[in-house]
Amino acid sequence: DAKTTQPTSMDCAEGRAANLPCNHSTISGNEYVYWYRQIHSQGPQYIIHGLKNNETNEMASLIITEDRKSSTLILPHATLRDTAVYYCIVSVPNAGGTSYGKLTFGQGTILTVHP
Amino acid sequence: NAGVMQNPRHLVRRRGQEARLRCSPMKGHSHVYWYRQLPEEGLKFMVYLQKENIIDESGMPKERFSAEFPKEGPSILRIQQVVRGDSAAYFCASSLGTGNEKLFFGSGTQLSVL
Repeated sequence: DAKTTQPTSMDCAEGRAANLPCNHSTISGNEYVYWYRQIHSQGPQYIIHGLKNNETNEMASLIITEDRKSSTLILPHATLRDTAVYYCIVSVPNAGGTSYGKLTFGQGTILTVHP
Repeated sequence: NAGVMQNPRHLVRRRGQEARLRCSPMKGHSHVYWYRQLPEEGLKFMVYLQKENIIDESGMPKERFSAEFPKEGPSILRIQQVVRGDSAAYFCASSLGTGNEKLFFGSGTQLSVL
């Protein structure tokens, strides 16, 4: 799987947008970008994923650069409950062209949302 | 629709005992994954199972660890003759198995080896 690089930690004020960057300069054409987060002592929670188009769901938006070498996860209105470790992961499809859940979690970004 | 259920939530074992961790996937999911998170480390993939089949066990330690996902019942991660280094949080995840899809994780089992 392609390696990802994320800042170790970030701060964000409650109510403001949190923009979490991720570099994946060695990403291949068939690799997806996934974002998960882990709130202390809980299991990881899926946030969003994409291939090359920008994606938005009820939790966040994912902006992928045109060359796909980096992406940004945007939490539009961060709350205290969004304090967590955020993981950016690239996942390679298997021989059948689809991807299964063998994900390589790095150290992630510790996002702290403060009042 | 209940999420991924793992039990027990906490498990304490003495060195040399066996640990059995159970995971019931989300309703309709037939693909199960086990991950391990050692203290102060990231999550590491251990094994991927479908009903009655092990698909990828490349992350499983060669000895003492085994996993199964029988036709009926939960998936079981079994650790024989536990050692202190096995102390970790073990997370189970499930998916529909359609490809490129999201994983749903359980709350984990915290294993402590005395």
